[in-house]
Amino acid sequence: EAEVAQSPRYKITEKSQAVAFWCDPISGHATLYWYRQILGQGPELLVQFQDESVVDDSQLPKDRFSAERLKGVDSTLKIQPAELGDSAMYLCASRKQGTSYEQYFGPGTRLTVT
Amino acid sequence: SQQGEEDPQALSIQEGENATMNCSYKTSINNLQWYRQNSGRGLVHLILIRSNEREKHSGRLRVTLDTSKKSSSLLITASRAADTASYFCATDAGGSNYKLTFGKGTLLTVNP
Repeated sequence: EAEVAQSPRYKITEKSQAVAFWCDPISGHATLYWYRQILGQGPELLVQFQDESVVDDSQLPKDRFSAERLKGVDSTLKIQPAELGDSAMYLCASRKQGTSYEQYFGPGTRLTVT
Repeated sequence: SQQGEEDPQALSIQEGENATMNCSYKTSINNLQWYRQNSGRGLVHLILIRSNEREKHSGRLRVTLDTSKKSSSLLITASRAADTASYFCATDAGGSNYKLTFGKGTLLTVNP
């Protein structure tokens, strides 16, 4: 069964450093989402792509976060510089085109900023 | 911001018992979905109920939706230790973005 791939699974970085996460959605899924999940909370949407275009980045802290999906397939989320408050799980999800509402999640990247 | 609020925050039961989790939300929705998250892992879609539906079943899962009260419940019957996980409701307010807003989740522990 096809799955959403994410790497790395775990990342420890010092504050003020740059960090990047990678996501490869299920083949053929045009919509890709990046979420941030703080421990004990539900996921919160950071950015949503439709193919290579950003359709919602209203909750993305644009002074330090950036996201791209250049060829409309895999995607990278970057944080520069990282802050202590960025420690969280970063989840990627994809959705099939059309009226399928279900989102498929990857295993996530656990970020710890020290 | 999170729209859904699950209740209770944590639930501990014995294997074989039923588990009921509730979700309340604030704005009108197109559909409501329930997801499961095992510790430290990604989320897995469980079931979706549309705004014009009142009840839906899938295996040991039963979901109800009351749009007048802006609430939903998830019932897991005959629980198993493997059901131990966090359960989240997520609302889709409609629109072309199919954006989901998640609640804070209920941590379910099923004791063998």
